[in-house]
Amino acid sequence: QVQLQESGPGLVKPSETLSLTCTVSGDSISSHYWSWIRQPPGKGLEWIGYIYYSESTNYNPSLKSRVTISVDTSKNQFSLNLNSVTAADTAVYYCARGVLAFPTVYFDDWGQGTLVTVSS
Amino acid sequence: SNVLTQPPSVSVAPGKTARVTCGGNDIGSKSVHWYQQKPGQAPVLVIYNDSDRPSGIPERFSGSNSGNTATLTISRVEAGDEADYYCQVWESTTDHPEVFGGGTKLTVL
Repeated sequence: QVQLQESGPGLVKPSETLSLTCTVSGDSISSHYWSWIRQPPGKGLEWIGYIYYSESTNYNPSLKSRVTISVDTSKNQFSLNLNSVTAADTAVYYCARGVLAFPTVYFDDWGQGTLVTVSS
Repeated sequence: SNVLTQPPSVSVAPGKTARVTCGGNDIGSKSVHWYQQKPGQAPVLVIYNDSDRPSGIPERFSGSNSGNTATLTISRVEAGDEADYYCQVWESTTDHPEVFGGGTKLTVL
């Protein structure tokens, strides 16, 4: 059974960088579309981006200039960096496994989510 | 980019059938996936590829997709089905492939 677990600071100051890590167990990080998705309080889901096959990435155009997703295959982890954060980046951040069923992708396993608050 | 439209809320009595819709331009030509999210919990995949159910999801959950509307149907609704439901498609031909609907709050009366 696949398990995903987010980790990282729950409080980030404005203009600084939000950094989160997702540890994956039960599957290899070298396959699938490993994704970050966020949910502002009381709002819907917003896709941030993904990394697939350990090297290729794709990001939400609205966040692209501030986002980096990377992978550490030795630790079976992938990470999110979001720089120049503002209060609008306050959200629950989820990591999820995207399964390719060509030509579509769906998210069949999710982490429990971690709340990140941007505040001074 | 593709825009998916869901009604903000749907209400249904226990034992009845609930239908949650997801509207989008020619959505019938795409594969639609559905997620259930209960308060304080992560989303759970309940339908993928329009009508397939992951293991562990009750047969009461079904999906269909045609034209400009995809529908999640929940038969014999139970109190435990009360949750937010999100549809999702994947547009591989764009640089913003992943799109979620705005979500529908299902209330069991």
